[in-house]
Amino acid sequence: AQSVTQLGSHVSVSEGALVLLRCNYSSSVPPYLFWYVQYPNQGLQLLLKYTTGATLVKGINGFEAEFKKSETSFHLTKPSAHMSDAAEYFCAVSLFSGSARQLTFGSGTQLTVLP
Amino acid sequence: SQTIHQWPATLVQPVGSPLSLECTVEGTSNPNLYWYRQAAGRGLQLLFYSVGIGQISSEVPQNLSASRPQDRQFILSSKKLLLSDSGFYLCAWNTVDSRYEQYFGPGTRLTVT
Repeated sequence: AQSVTQLGSHVSVSEGALVLLRCNYSSSVPPYLFWYVQYPNQGLQLLLKYTTGATLVKGINGFEAEFKKSETSFHLTKPSAHMSDAAEYFCAVSLFSGSARQLTFGSGTQLTVLP
Repeated sequence: SQTIHQWPATLVQPVGSPLSLECTVEGTSNPNLYWYRQAAGRGLQLLFYSVGIGQISSEVPQNLSASRPQDRQFILSSKKLLLSDSGFYLCAWNTVDSRYEQYFGPGTRLTVT
């Protein structure tokens, strides 16, 4: 079984500070990993993904994440937080079940950006 | 380009009433379709997924059902709503070519009173 753990349900940073959102996964096979962002009362938007190849992946809005197999981690970072980054962030791992690939999501991290 | 629609956007229903939420996808063929529920302060729970017309897989036994009458249409239903059915319902899609990520609709906010 695959699972995702997001450490910290709430993270606060000052505008301009580093954003670090933590995600650890468990998987018996090489995982596909994703970060999604959700703004209030909206659907989820894909930020970035890791499937194969380069372990440092860049996404939209200046975010990036690094796949570290030895640490089973896929932490999300952004060098300088902006007020518009305030949202909920979900880490997810892809699982093949039957004829469809399913996503297993972490419980989410609410990011607050302080002025 | 592909787009996904959900309606209604918001819904307030009394306990015991029926429910029908609709999701449609445009710009792609034979998508995999998914229904998720997001309860207040909680993560996403996969409810149903479908790999084709009439093919529904249920992930969690509950008061809800799903149907796929057309290739790009996915419907979530209930005969009698419970208070615990309140939440934010998200529809999503993907295909083999989309490298396994899923694309989400705008969601439906359901409040059962």
